[in-house]
Amino acid sequence: IAGITQAPTSQILAAGRRMTLRCTQDMRHNAMYWYRQDLGLGLRLIHYSNTAGTTGKGEVPDGYSVSRANTDDFPLTLASAVPSQTSVYFCASSPTSGRGAWDEQFFGPGTRLTVL
Amino acid sequence: QKEVEQNSGPLSVPEGAIASLNCTYSDRGSQSFFWYRQYSGKSPELIMFIYSNGDKEDGRFTAQLNKASQYVSLLIRDSQPSDSATYLCAVNTDRGNYQLIWGAGTKLIIKP
Repeated sequence: IAGITQAPTSQILAAGRRMTLRCTQDMRHNAMYWYRQDLGLGLRLIHYSNTAGTTGKGEVPDGYSVSRANTDDFPLTLASAVPSQTSVYFCASSPTSGRGAWDEQFFGPGTRLTVL
Repeated sequence: QKEVEQNSGPLSVPEGAIASLNCTYSDRGSQSFFWYRQYSGKSPELIMFIYSNGDKEDGRFTAQLNKASQYVSLLIRDSQPSDSATYLCAVNTDRGNYQLIWGAGTKLIIKP
């Protein structure tokens, strides 16, 4: 593994189903993020984690949950998918040097999710 | 008012010319500013970051920051067709965490 991996690459999901998007990084970064990207709206933060064991809500958290049991993994779960959750989902990580939000974020390749 | 604003474009520039991309932000406490490039169907990748007022040059790219006017720009000299992409501006928040606020991006098209 080099950098950030996400799985699956794409998924078509029936409404009401539960789905977990996986994200793993091997850079030992402290902070991790989940974004969704929709046409014309840019990247919107769903949830974030500043360090293992902690999580926080972003701009659009409703319908999503996350966990951060260790440094490397940050799964995103849709408990009961709805069509409005159709989007491209990006996981990102950042080293965070302790100087505030001064460090770049590195992105995974994304998961394209379609909810029918 | 959006916290980070960019013209959505598309911005069309002839090959070899200078492309100028602009971004304004609302949080006066922001201290770090990033430009990302995103090719269609791909994930964002960092081009440049800037922390201090003035210009920062890296190859064909120059980032310009004016904190008093709350704008940051990206200049691309000698534009190439491979520069055609969407350019995202990101700004840190002053909320005590590591979040970035993102603009919606400007689509740049370099015409051969």
